[in-house]
Amino acid sequence: QKEVEQNSGPLSVPEGAIASLNCTYSDRVSQSFFWYRQYSGKSPELIMSIYSNGDKEDGRFTAQLNKASQYVSLLIRDSQPSDSATYLCAPGGGSNYKLTFGKGTLLTVNP
Amino acid sequence: GAGVSQTPSNKVTEKGKYVELRCDPISGHTALYWYRQSLGQGPEFLIYFQGTGAADDSGLPNDRFFAVRPEGSVSTLKIQRTERGDSAVYLCASSNQDGYGYTFGSGTRLTVV
Repeated sequence: QKEVEQNSGPLSVPEGAIASLNCTYSDRVSQSFFWYRQYSGKSPELIMSIYSNGDKEDGRFTAQLNKASQYVSLLIRDSQPSDSATYLCAPGGGSNYKLTFGKGTLLTVNP
Repeated sequence: GAGVSQTPSNKVTEKGKYVELRCDPISGHTALYWYRQSLGQGPEFLIYFQGTGAADDSGLPNDRFFAVRPEGSVSTLKIQRTERGDSAVYLCASSNQDGYGYTFGSGTRLTVV
């Protein structure tokens, strides 16, 4: 069983739509959760962190966490072509320093 | 520096050779991490330094891999007797506090031919 599973892509949405990216994880002791964005040929860039159940909003991005369901998601509102990238989910596991990354979901926003 | 700096950006080496990859973290960051990312995969944890010591090296795949951070700043990842399967992007990250995510460098793309 994979430790971190993300919805298989690629995910294609029109400009201005909401993009929904999902992630499930197996390690129940995870307390911290991160979303990274990775443009093609570039390194991952931290865009969101969430630690408590519920929603956390930052601009056009909303992270949602449900620890009981071992589920974390990222919503991107008013998607822009510049949002086209691979989005990586990374729970922190039982440590504060070791992240376990999913394979990522490739998002394409079409103008 | 302003960000995490990794050198070289690209390295091509022959199978069996020894390579060193360097990481210069953000100034003042005590924690330093090495990850490896293969094509189509997410980054995979290799090793974590807190100061000069390796606090967790559980991700190093075998004893051909070794990393040091002698003065608590710059780190070097060393790979002996390279194999084609070692080809990947090696990412370094640093932070000043655990648990809040961290910033990656631009990576070193290692190709073993």
